[in-house]
Amino acid sequence: DARVTQTPRHKVTEMGQEVTMRCQPILGHNTVFWYRQTMMQGLELLAYFRNRAPLDDSGMPKDRFSAEMPDATLATLKIQPSEPRDSAVYFCASGGGGGTEAFFGQGTRLTVV
Amino acid sequence: EDKVVQSPLSLVVHEGDTVTLNCSYEVTNFRSLLWYKQEKKAPTFLFMLTSSGIEKKSGRLSSILDKKELFSILNITATQTGDSAVYLCAVANSGGSNYKLTFGKGTLLTVNP
Repeated sequence: DARVTQTPRHKVTEMGQEVTMRCQPILGHNTVFWYRQTMMQGLELLAYFRNRAPLDDSGMPKDRFSAEMPDATLATLKIQPSEPRDSAVYFCASGGGGGTEAFFGQGTRLTVV
Repeated sequence: EDKVVQSPLSLVVHEGDTVTLNCSYEVTNFRSLLWYKQEKKAPTFLFMLTSSGIEKKSGRLSSILDKKELFSILNITATQTGDSAVYLCAVANSGGSNYKLTFGKGTLLTVNP
């Protein structure tokens, strides 16, 4: 059952703490996206990778957010230091298995207090 | 900057009604348009459209793309309460073998019994 796996599913943290979200893309997919979803902004693209190389991270606040793919089975999104305005659902999606459709993980619901 | 606009923002109908959801876009190097359904969790893929005028159909859902007028519609016939969800439209642009997905803010569909 091929699916994108994200951990943790929920995270509550205090302002100023580091947060790391992880994503395992579908095996064989070479494109990985990180999105943030809020009621106000909808789905915003933060960063994306192809063949583990970062292609565009212009959607991320560079001073506090970083995204990496240490290997083909793991993508990470890190926020340091976290702020209350970072509270949102963060989705990872993978694609590139032939078409342009992307398949989403279940998301990480982040609450920064 | 790529832009995707969906309308209406929300819609309330009764079971059995037919609905049409709209998506217009502006994108450089258009590659495809995708529709997703989002219930409480992650967006799930519905359709990918690349050619004008060719209807994609899955059960009571169908979609068509007009690349000249830069829009797509998603039709749902004989709606059911299980169709209640946010429907998201996304466009994929293409830079060689790379692509990026930009999402609209979605249409919230509520189907009442």
